[in-house]
Amino acid sequence: SQKIEQNSEALNIQEGKTATLTCNYTNYSPAYLQWYRQDPGRGPVFLLLIRENEKEKRKERLKVTFDTTLKQSLFHITASQPADSATYLCALWNYGQNFVFGPGTRLSVLP
Amino acid sequence: DVKVTQSSRYLVKRTGEKVFLECVQDMDHENMFWYRQDPGLGLRLIYFSYDVKMKEKGDIPEGYSVSREKKERFSLILESASTNQTSMYLCASSFGNNEKLFFGSGTQLSVL
Repeated sequence: SQKIEQNSEALNIQEGKTATLTCNYTNYSPAYLQWYRQDPGRGPVFLLLIRENEKEKRKERLKVTFDTTLKQSLFHITASQPADSATYLCALWNYGQNFVFGPGTRLSVLP
Repeated sequence: DVKVTQSSRYLVKRTGEKVFLECVQDMDHENMFWYRQDPGLGLRLIYFSYDVKMKEKGDIPEGYSVSREKKERFSLILESASTNQTSMYLCASSFGNNEKLFFGSGTQLSVL
């Protein structure tokens, strides 16, 4: 069956460290993978998109990798800040289908 | 600034009531979506629309219907609300089929 998993429901890290969030998928062949940020009581906000033929994408302190062999995407936040605390969602897009979302990882950056 | 507006942030309804959730986008997007979000389950697609008067079932359409009479407006209808439809409902829009989604702030619906 098809499945998207994100490494843990919650992740706590110390301010200034790099946060690494994992998105693993089974029985999908996504052409695109996106990462969203969601704050409590709000809708998700788009952060980054990476295509199947791209290995890595960066935007300011954010970096996403996409390994179609391992069926995994890693999302990194370097020099993390308390303001980065939020839930992060990965979403896959298959040709001819819609986006499918993972359950999310709640990140807490501790001062 | 682009905007997806959902008519209510919080809604409390009784079992059996007919419920309308409204969503309006100001970006001239072709595609609009309705998701529900439940703890531990992530976002699940209820219905979507790629054009005016067009609608397609998502993964969990049972108990719901939709209406898209105008390009900017996409309505979700709960014909007879039930307690298992208590959830956060999120509307989203996008320009193309694999483009990023713009979400509204969500409607937290409680069915008593």
